[in-house]
Amino acid sequence: AQRVTQPEKLLSVFKGAPVELKCNYSYSGSPELFWYVQYSRQRLQLLLRHISRESIKGFTADLNKGETSFHLKKPFAQEEDSAMYYCALRGMNNNAGNMLTFGGGTRLMVKP
Amino acid sequence: GAGVSQSPSNKVTEKGKDVELRCDPISGHTALYWYRQSLGQGLEFLIYFQGNSAPDKSGLPSDRFSAERTGGSVSTLTIQRTQQEDSAVYLCASSFGSGTGTQYFGPGTRLLVL
Repeated sequence: AQRVTQPEKLLSVFKGAPVELKCNYSYSGSPELFWYVQYSRQRLQLLLRHISRESIKGFTADLNKGETSFHLKKPFAQEEDSAMYYCALRGMNNNAGNMLTFGGGTRLMVKP
Repeated sequence: GAGVSQSPSNKVTEKGKDVELRCDPISGHTALYWYRQSLGQGLEFLIYFQGNSAPDKSGLPSDRFSAERTGGSVSTLTIQRTQQEDSAVYLCASSFGSGTGTQYFGPGTRLLVL
């Protein structure tokens, strides 16, 4: 079974402060990890995936297999980062259609 | 190009009625997924299509839920004899190839069962 846990439902920071959204996962095989974001009144969209090892909108996330974590970080939060963030896992070589397993989501509020 | 589209955007129905939700994937995407986003359960997988076949129906919550896909494109999710606990946002996503690519999501259908 695969599981994704986002321990914080709400994270509130001031503009310019660092932000870290936590994500832990449970999966017996090789996982592929993603962060999806949903801005107000917009559809769910991919923010970044671990295999790309890229920074999007100043966000980065490193897969730590030892700690089974994939935390999302940004050194200086902006007001436009306010959104709902979902961590998701897909099992590689998963015969079950490569569906995504999502965490419960963390609402990030960046205050001015 | 056009993204994933879903219709209707909102649906209000009475308990016991049947509803049909439609998903138009991105052209050329052979993999199609249905997810449900509800307050108590978060985002949960319902069903996956590869072309017209559904090799994974493991996420369907009951036999009142069914889905089909014709022509390798449009998919419909049908909920029979709706219950109040079916109230949720139903999301559709599609991806290229065998499903290892990025999943692109539609705007969702918000279903309210009174």
